[in-house]
Amino acid sequence: DAGVTQSPTHLIKTRGQQVTLRCSPKSGHDTVSWYQQALGQGPQFIFQYYEEEERQRGNFPDRFSGHQFPNYSSELNVNALLLGDSALYLCASSHRDRGYGANVLTFGAGSRLTVL
Amino acid sequence: AQTVTQSQPEMSVQEAETVTLSCTYDTSESDYYLFWYKQPPSRQMILVIRQEAYKQQNATENRFSVNFQKAAKSFSLKISDSQLGDAAMYFCAYTRAGANSKLTFGKGITLSVRP
Repeated sequence: DAGVTQSPTHLIKTRGQQVTLRCSPKSGHDTVSWYQQALGQGPQFIFQYYEEEERQRGNFPDRFSGHQFPNYSSELNVNALLLGDSALYLCASSHRDRGYGANVLTFGAGSRLTVL
Repeated sequence: AQTVTQSQPEMSVQEAETVTLSCTYDTSESDYYLFWYKQPPSRQMILVIRQEAYKQQNATENRFSVNFQKAAKSFSLKISDSQLGDAAMYFCAYTRAGANSKLTFGKGITLSVRP
């Protein structure tokens, strides 16, 4: 059973460019969340997608946008790249909790973005 | 806003010994969940252990156990019989119940294991 897969694993961009990162969730999962992990820091929540809509959003500017497709896969887009966007971008999938619990996330290995 | 604090940036342990990683958090919620995640050099976050705040019993998973002190808002991880494969970054994380997995992470701690 494949877990969460992300592509590309590494990429280099220059300031002002745009980037698209992709994520395929674990089989049976319907919710995708994206996190940004700067070097030496813990991951920070960017946003979450469920039923092809953004459901929750962290404290990130509108340059960060996303999409979820009918097969539950997701994309993260970042426009007008800044040096500070250099980070590991983690995708995590889960099955949406319809109760009052906390579903467990399965993480991918991330996409390492370097902005020059 | 919820915060998670891991004040020790690095720790080292001898193989087969026991080590405790510290974490404190701040929240006004009464019902929430706490997690410890491991991130090896492969970068993939792996869930180590999970604690539900309404449960007084501390969670255990094989060699991993937690000391959950709700009043003190403290959540430490104990690793017994440390193995070389335990070397990694460890992150403490919080989510309020019903938040559908929006996690707040600490800065992490790098654990090294000496053979």
